[in-house]
Amino acid sequence: DVKVTQSSRYLVKRTGEKVFLECVQDMDHENMFWYRQDPGLGLRLIYFSYDVKMKEKGDIPEGYSVSREKKERFSLILESASTNQTSMYLCASRDPGQVSEQYFGPGTRLTVT
Amino acid sequence: GQQLNQSPQSMFIQEGEDVSMNCTSSSIFNTWLWYKQDPGEGPVLLIALYKAGELTSNGRLTAQFGITRKDSFLNISASIPSDVGIYFCAGRASLGGATNKLIFGTGTLLAVQP
Repeated sequence: DVKVTQSSRYLVKRTGEKVFLECVQDMDHENMFWYRQDPGLGLRLIYFSYDVKMKEKGDIPEGYSVSREKKERFSLILESASTNQTSMYLCASRDPGQVSEQYFGPGTRLTVT
Repeated sequence: GQQLNQSPQSMFIQEGEDVSMNCTSSSIFNTWLWYKQDPGEGPVLLIALYKAGELTSNGRLTAQFGITRKDSFLNISASIPSDVGIYFCAGRASLGGATNKLIFGTGTLLAVQP
């Protein structure tokens, strides 16, 4: 089974702090994704990566950056956390070489105070 | 960004009842997916649909890919308490390859009263 892990389940940070959210997958998937989930808004794509060192903006990239130095790891960075970035953050991975779908991690619930 | 119109937003039912939910889009999709998210967890794929008109079952769950390619339906028969969670639809305009962004619905919250 595919396993996608996220470094923290719960995180509390202060406004202005730099925040790193880490995601690791163990199935050698090329594609990885970061979403945020807010009530009534569903899942919104922040950034995605086709492969190592490649990244593309999603629908809501403002205030975020990403890093993909190794195939198995995709990091989401909040350069200066703000209260409106309080949310559930979900990482996913997928193998584009076959008809397979995205596998999600358990999520990180981030609170910015 | 584009979102799918998913309804209903929430459902509160008795154990044993059947459940129906649907998603509609203004765009044509080649793939429709249904995910379930348990409280405090990430979404888990329930059913994937790749062909217009396709009807696929997974246990008590049945999903259909609308013939217009702009909608999809999920039915749950004889609900049980562990069906509780948020159900998301998702659509994609391509079958695979690099352009594989999913568009998600806003979710249907299901509560089942024992």
